[in-house]
Amino acid sequence: ETGVTQSPTHLIKTRGQQVTLRCSSQSGHNTVSWYQQALGQGPQFIFQYYREEENGRGNFPPRFSGLQFPNYSSELNVNALELDDSALYLCASSSTSRPYYNEQFFGPGTRLTVL
Amino acid sequence: SQQGEEDPQALSIQEGENATMNCSYKTSINNLQWYRQNSGRGLVHLILIRSNEREKHSGRLRVTLDTSKKSSSLLITASRAADTASYFCATDGNRDDKIIFGKGTRLHILP
Repeated sequence: ETGVTQSPTHLIKTRGQQVTLRCSSQSGHNTVSWYQQALGQGPQFIFQYYREEENGRGNFPPRFSGLQFPNYSSELNVNALELDDSALYLCASSSTSRPYYNEQFFGPGTRLTVL
Repeated sequence: SQQGEEDPQALSIQEGENATMNCSYKTSINNLQWYRQNSGRGLVHLILIRSNEREKHSGRLRVTLDTSKKSSSLLITASRAADTASYFCATDGNRDDKIIFGKGTRLHILP
């Protein structure tokens, strides 16, 4: 059983650029959630994908978008990067579309720095 | 919006002592979960307690839930250096499927 993996590990971008982060969910899991974690803060929910459809979204602007593929891996895209987008981006997979009923398995995260 | 708030924000104790951290939340919940995070990496699920449960154990962990006070506590007994991490409580938003994390308690175990 493989765990959740994310790529890349670290990324440096400049303001205005676009970035794509990738996540491979744990085997057998059909739900992926993305979180943004600023330094010293708890993770903030961005959105969730369940069976290739967006299934819930937090308070993030439309320039944050995502995809889920038939193998349940997922991408997070952020357009027009801003300095405040600098954070650790975490993805988590679970076997249910209701993560509060079950544990989520987190990847190691992608550290994004926007200059 | 922040649903869960952990207390204290930071805690330093000697190895072997017990560590207690608390979580308070604002609205009614279905479940409450505790997660651990080492050095800004991925989170690890520790324990889930349902709203109709009052106490749950897992190894050296003991979690209590008081829905009347909208609070939970996580007790780590006989702490070890490897317990040094940030601990987060996470609750569901009650009206949707997302879960909401608090800001966490940073636990440091002194040798």
